Amino acid sequence: GAVVSQHPSWVICKSGTSVKIECRSLDFQATTMFWYRQFPKQSLMLMATSNEGSKATYEQGVEKDKFLINHASLTLSTLTVTSAHPEDSSFYICSAGRGGLSNQPQHFGDGTRLSIL
Amino acid sequence: ELKVEQNPLFLSMQEGKNYTIYCNYSTTSDRLYWYRQDPGKSLESLFVLLSNGAVKQEGRLMASLDTKARLSTLHITAAVHDLSATYFCAVDIRTGNQFYFGTGTSLTVIP
Repeated sequence: GAVVSQHPSWVICKSGTSVKIECRSLDFQATTMFWYRQFPKQSLMLMATSNEGSKATYEQGVEKDKFLINHASLTLSTLTVTSAHPEDSSFYICSAGRGGLSNQPQHFGDGTRLSIL
Repeated sequence: ELKVEQNPLFLSMQEGKNYTIYCNYSTTSDRLYWYRQDPGKSLESLFVLLSNGAVKQEGRLMASLDTKARLSTLHITAAVHDLSATYFCAVDIRTGNQFYFGTGTSLTVIP
């Protein structure tokens, strides 16, 4: 079964709305989670690394004030898209690993499809 | 700038045929992963390759890693329609499993 749960699966909202996406590790603790964005027919682009108890690390070109990340517990990271606009419409995917230099692959959530009207 | 490139980007092939997808990356790494993505879905892990010369096989898919050449291959044997999907390689260049994904290969297997 799924080891990383993402919620919601699909959200449609009006321009200017803020949208929160949750990513939970279900049967393990994750000090680090990752957020990706995927545009149609394109690859996944790493947006940021979410660190439990500290600030997220953002990739170059990703606006930290636009994409707020909170990793308040070892099993939950949230991504809030603030004042979303149509260009923010995308497929957002989180991932978590079982820790450290693991020889296990990252576990990915099912993704959240965000559509901004 | 890190580059992870896959070749080809799109592939259409008949059932029963063989083909190889290539993944080239531009920096040192000895951890490479292959994932499958079906339309509208998230990623499914296929292979984890952790050392030079690693070879993994599962069903009709076989993956290999040459860290000196910075090249991984995903070989498809006797393709079937169920293999139709987009395949991504991903390179881990930092501690903590921070992945950089390849461009993806969209595979269509024609009955």
